[in-house]
Amino acid sequence: GQQVMQIPQYQHVQEGEDFTTYCNSSTTLSNIQWYKQRPGGHPVFLIQLVKSGEVKKQKRLTFQFGEAKKNSSLHITATQTTDVGTYFCAINDYKLSFGAGTTVTVRA
Amino acid sequence: NAGVTQTPKFQVLKTGQSMTLQCAQDMNHNSMYWYRQDPGMGLRLIYYSASEGTTDKGEVPNGYNVSRLNKREFSLRLESAAPSQTSVYFCASIRGRESPLHFGNGTRLTVT
Repeated sequence: GQQVMQIPQYQHVQEGEDFTTYCNSSTTLSNIQWYKQRPGGHPVFLIQLVKSGEVKKQKRLTFQFGEAKKNSSLHITATQTTDVGTYFCAINDYKLSFGAGTTVTVRA
Repeated sequence: NAGVTQTPKFQVLKTGQSMTLQCAQDMNHNSMYWYRQDPGMGLRLIYYSASEGTTDKGEVPNGYNVSRLNKREFSLRLESAAPSQTSVYFCASIRGRESPLHFGNGTRLTVT
């Protein structure tokens, strides 16, 4: 099945700084979803991208789908302690394959 | 509206013991999934059920069996637990393709 690679695996961010996490595939994707998992919690759906080059924003989070639909990114501006957790991308091809995730820690 | 409910929340087994993890959803979703989560490895699909009456293997099915009892319930069985099955198990459901996945709160299983 299709697989996605997420980079980086860990992201240590100073509070107030920006960062970006990436999700890459070797094949063209029909869509991509992003989830957030807080420590000790379960993954929670954030957003789905479907169209080539699509950009969606949720407050300080900006999600982008690549023009070739082979990659996606999540950019967080002005990181806050509430952003701590693991961010996963997932391919929705009925098997719903997840990337390994980017675990974010924030230094106050 | 409870969403996806998993039981138990915690379980400790000895090697060779069996148990069933229960999952139920009240959202009338067609598809249900079982994932395991291990540190640094993300969520790996064990089995899924695209619709009532069907089940299919995922990425890591060995050592597990599933039953889609009805549209609401999807159980995961470990026939003979092994320490390698120590993990956090998540059940999830989805209405249809290109819909968001809804997760249960997870079952933390330790096999000694």
